[in-house]
Amino acid sequence: DADVTQTPRNRITKTGKRIMLECSQTKGHDRMYWYRQDPGLGLRLIYYSFDVKDINKGEISDGYSVSRQAQAKFSLSLESAIPNQTALYFCATSDLYSGNTGELFFGEGSRLTVL
Amino acid sequence: AQSVTQLDSQVPVFEEAPVELRCNYSSSVSVYLFWYVQYPNQGLQLLLKYLSGSTLVKGINGFEAEFNKSQTSFHLRKPSVHISDTAEYFCAVSEEDGGFKTIFGAGTRLFVKA
Repeated sequence: DADVTQTPRNRITKTGKRIMLECSQTKGHDRMYWYRQDPGLGLRLIYYSFDVKDINKGEISDGYSVSRQAQAKFSLSLESAIPNQTALYFCATSDLYSGNTGELFFGEGSRLTVL
Repeated sequence: AQSVTQLDSQVPVFEEAPVELRCNYSSSVSVYLFWYVQYPNQGLQLLLKYLSGSTLVKGINGFEAEFNKSQTSFHLRKPSVHISDTAEYFCAVSEEDGGFKTIFGAGTRLFVKA
């Protein structure tokens, strides 16, 4: 089983719908992140959390919200999806040591299509 | 502010040929450097990393990279590629700014042809 699990792996939805992407990890890491991947743009940070009570915006947080339900769970919500949020979304984790160097451990991604 | 530039968006190469994927970064402080690989329909996995010490870093699958501080580069190399190396490769940088946020380049798609 994967150490960082994302659900759903694929989702097609319509404009205006609310969508939640979920991430759970068994690595015991404190830090969790949501990234978005678009062709030609690489990965961009949406939100990150260093522990359950700590939530921080990344460079492209507009239109997104997150919830850190437990150390092992970090969910990303799109309150009202729009077509330009069509992308591949990655959850990532790091621990105190790896987090202090920027090394990340990734899930397999959630492909979201907004029609 | 830090940034990462991957100089080639696509690199086609024949099997068993050498390859170099180029990465330049900008930062005013010390950095940590990474190369990640993304195989089709998979997440990213760490290929290699430079934290400190020797500037020549060896990673998995026969890849290596050299940190050049004066040229602010971290190019990835492999002396002989295989079909299975076809993937997208991301260069990434982090610097100490209170959070060690990691910044990614746009990616280089490596096509290995038979």
